[in-house]
Amino acid sequence: GAGVSQSPRYKVAKRGQDVALRCDPISGHVSLFWYQQALGQGPEFLTYFQNEAQLDKSGLPSDRFFAERPEGSVSTLKIQRTQQEDSAVYLCASSYLAGSVYEQYFGPGTRLTVT
Amino acid sequence: DAKTTQPTSMDCAEGRAANLPCNHSTISGNEYVYWYRQIHSQGPQYIIHGLKNNETNEMASLIITEDRKSSTLILPHATLRDTAVYYCIVGTVAGNYKLTFGKGTLLTVNP
Repeated sequence: GAGVSQSPRYKVAKRGQDVALRCDPISGHVSLFWYQQALGQGPEFLTYFQNEAQLDKSGLPSDRFFAERPEGSVSTLKIQRTQQEDSAVYLCASSYLAGSVYEQYFGPGTRLTVT
Repeated sequence: DAKTTQPTSMDCAEGRAANLPCNHSTISGNEYVYWYRQIHSQGPQYIIHGLKNNETNEMASLIITEDRKSSTLILPHATLRDTAVYYCIVGTVAGNYKLTFGKGTLLTVNP
């Protein structure tokens, strides 16, 4: 069956531009997560949705980062006025469980490069 | 959440068992041990989790010591496709959803 998909797979942005990263979770999955992975590091938690409700956004590094999941399915992570330190792989994960650390299914990620 | 310590890298011959250790000496009684892996250019993939009993599934076995201060992930017959970074994560189940990844162990399976 279809897994988690993310688009675009690669994004190059000039410093100061706004970007939008899309995540299509597995159909019917209640939970959706965003993680940020810097080069050579493990992924770091950004935010968590249960259906359309954003229950935790404690990992978002600044108010330039914004995530939404308006209909409880597709999610978008938006970064305003991108900076070089935003360069990373952004991973989306979904789970059929309501808030669990196991059985999170990850997408392939979007590699963002800010020049 | 308790922290984990893993070797930076390991090598394994194809077809042999790969044994990946993890130390979690400060683990609490209600914390589970989870393993994920990340193949190059892919997102992490859930492998297995356990509390105190040994666990086995179609991908791997998890052996947790009696004092729960360490564990070993075993891939019984490693293949080249098992080359990946393996993450050992410790955390509770109830009310917990944040995966806290460390740097993991880069397992290289050699032909």
